[in-house]
Amino acid sequence: GQQLNQSPQSMFIQEGEDVSMNCTSSSIFNTWLWYKQEPGEGPVLLIALYKAGELTSNGRLTAQFGITRKDSFLNISASIPSDVGIYFCAGPHTGGFKTIFGAGTRLFVKA
Amino acid sequence: ETGVTQTPRHLVMGMTNKKSLKCEQHLGHNAMYWYKQSAKKPLELMFVYSLEERVENNSVPSRFSPECPNSSHLFLHLHTLQPEDSALYLCASSQDIGGGAQETQYFGPGTRLLVL
Repeated sequence: GQQLNQSPQSMFIQEGEDVSMNCTSSSIFNTWLWYKQEPGEGPVLLIALYKAGELTSNGRLTAQFGITRKDSFLNISASIPSDVGIYFCAGPHTGGFKTIFGAGTRLFVKA
Repeated sequence: ETGVTQTPRHLVMGMTNKKSLKCEQHLGHNAMYWYKQSAKKPLELMFVYSLEERVENNSVPSRFSPECPNSSHLFLHLHTLQPEDSALYLCASSQDIGGGAQETQYFGPGTRLLVL
């Protein structure tokens, strides 16, 4: 079945550094979603990508939908302590009504 | 604020108790979902409802019983749970099912459940 592989599993960075994480699949996805989850809370949608090659920004966050439709990356520029959390990529299963989630990238930011 | 609310936020229950989790969405969506999130595990889809009809039941034990009385409300009824059922239970909604932008899901804050 369709799977999403996220890397890295975790990152430890200094405040002010830029961050890059990605998500790959052996299958084609028509939508890529990036969520952030903070401790004790539900995932919050950060960026949604609906077209191959699309590059979208949301403040300090930038995400791209890979041209092959099999990957996506998320960049965070000038990280701050409140960027701490788990970042998930996700995409609706091509068979419908079952969104596939990656295992997440845990981000730790040291002030 | 994502437009999806869940109550209670925290719940402690014994194995013989019966309790219910409630989810409400204020987004005018037609589809609602229950997920289970255990420590260090990926999100597990439990149930999917579209227009109040259940369209997915992912081999979930019968001690979990969902109910969708209308497109804005979703319940998860719990009875005779086991300690391994302790987890964060997340509700989500989307405009519709069937892939694409309409299936982009918005999550509630979750209910942290502890079964003793």
